[in-house]
Amino acid sequence: GQNIDQPTEMTATEGAIVQINCTYQTSGFNGLFWYQQHAGEAPTFLSYNVLDGLEEKGRFSSFLSRSKGYSYLLLKELQMKDSASYLCAALDSNYQLIWGAGTKLIIKP
Amino acid sequence: GAVVSQHPSRVICKSGTSVKIECRSLDFQATTMFWYRQFPKQSLMLMATSNEGSKATYEQGVEKDKFLINHASLTLSTLTVTSAHPEDSSFYICSARGTSAVGPQETQYFGPGTRLLVL
Repeated sequence: GQNIDQPTEMTATEGAIVQINCTYQTSGFNGLFWYQQHAGEAPTFLSYNVLDGLEEKGRFSSFLSRSKGYSYLLLKELQMKDSASYLCAALDSNYQLIWGAGTKLIIKP
Repeated sequence: GAVVSQHPSRVICKSGTSVKIECRSLDFQATTMFWYRQFPKQSLMLMATSNEGSKATYEQGVEKDKFLINHASLTLSTLTVTSAHPEDSSFYICSARGTSAVGPQETQYFGPGTRLLVL
């Protein structure tokens, strides 16, 4: 079966760094997405990785290891507005997104 | 670029009535649109996938006669919840994927969502 695993909840301090891990098992693989979803709002696109390695985009970076079926989202210089759920989603061989349940990130002052 | 709008943002209706939700891609052509439902504190649940000009593909357990989807153009898809009941109350979110959008081609861009409350 197809499966995405990510922690349910994480807590971090304002100004710090946090890494949110995601492991995936899919039928085929065409890339991995990270989305941010604030409470009561729709998800917004953060990043897409299809090749191994690190993609940096400002305070946010995303890493992919295809051989390990593993990705992480790294958030630096955390701000209170980064409190949200972070959704990991893998694109399978049919180009269908398989969604994780999301990681709720709580930022404390 | 890659803006998706959704209307209405919030709707309250009586049990037994039908509700139509519109999803529009404003600055790109959406070859594929997706409809999701999300209950509080739960993950996104894909309801159906629609390609412009063809019938929607529904996920297992989603009643196609209850949730009517029309994708008549490259910028508009509609979801009609027919004979709505209180258990249909949820957050409905559309997303669009297209060749003209900013970012990777396979990216889904989400509308702001519609909160439906059936009394």
